[in-house]
Amino acid sequence: GENVEQHPSTLSVQEGDSAVIKCTYSDSASNYFPWYKQELGKRPQLIIDIRSNVGEKKDQRIAVTLNKTAKHFSLHITETQPEDSAVYFCAASKTPAGGTSYGKLTFGQGTILTVHP
Amino acid sequence: ETGVTQTPRHLVMGMTNKKSLKCEQHLGHNAMYWYKQSAKKPLELMFVYNFKEQTENNSVPSRFSPECPNSSHLFLHLHTLQPEDSALYLCASSQTFPSPGVYNEQFFGPGTRLTVL
Repeated sequence: GENVEQHPSTLSVQEGDSAVIKCTYSDSASNYFPWYKQELGKRPQLIIDIRSNVGEKKDQRIAVTLNKTAKHFSLHITETQPEDSAVYFCAASKTPAGGTSYGKLTFGQGTILTVHP
Repeated sequence: ETGVTQTPRHLVMGMTNKKSLKCEQHLGHNAMYWYKQSAKKPLELMFVYNFKEQTENNSVPSRFSPECPNSSHLFLHLHTLQPEDSALYLCASSQTFPSPGVYNEQFFGPGTRLTVL
């Protein structure tokens, strides 16, 4: 089955700096890669996702890049703010057998991001 | 309440008790999921239901028994649990499309914090 490795496990930055979190996956058939943010005591929420036919996607201060050949993808947060402090999870999934689409996700271990004012 | 709700939010039970976790989604989705979130571990997928049919059982011990009476409700029945089963149990839902290649955001509930004594 799919295996997703995420690094680093903790990341501490100063406000205004950039933060990068990297994930690798094992199944070359995986074709959908979402990122979730989980604030302390709250539920995970999707912040950005990318499909395998795209190499990069941006949404304001966050961006995700995908290298299919190397089987890794990364989350980039620029101009970090204290409210970016949370646990970030990457995930990977592929189209299930039978052709219907729903999301069986394999998650990485999570990165605890702390942004210091 | 809108979105995905879970009850109870906190549960303490002994190893010989029987209890149930409830999840309800108000989003019109067809796929529902149970995840286990333990400290320092990635989100672990336990079960997936698509149109009320169980499509995934991720080698979960039989002391966890899921039930999906309709697309809006998902239960997790618990019996003779072990202390290592203490964790945050998250429910999620997503839409299902009849065609491959369409990927859908998973919406998570707030979770049930389970403590097994």
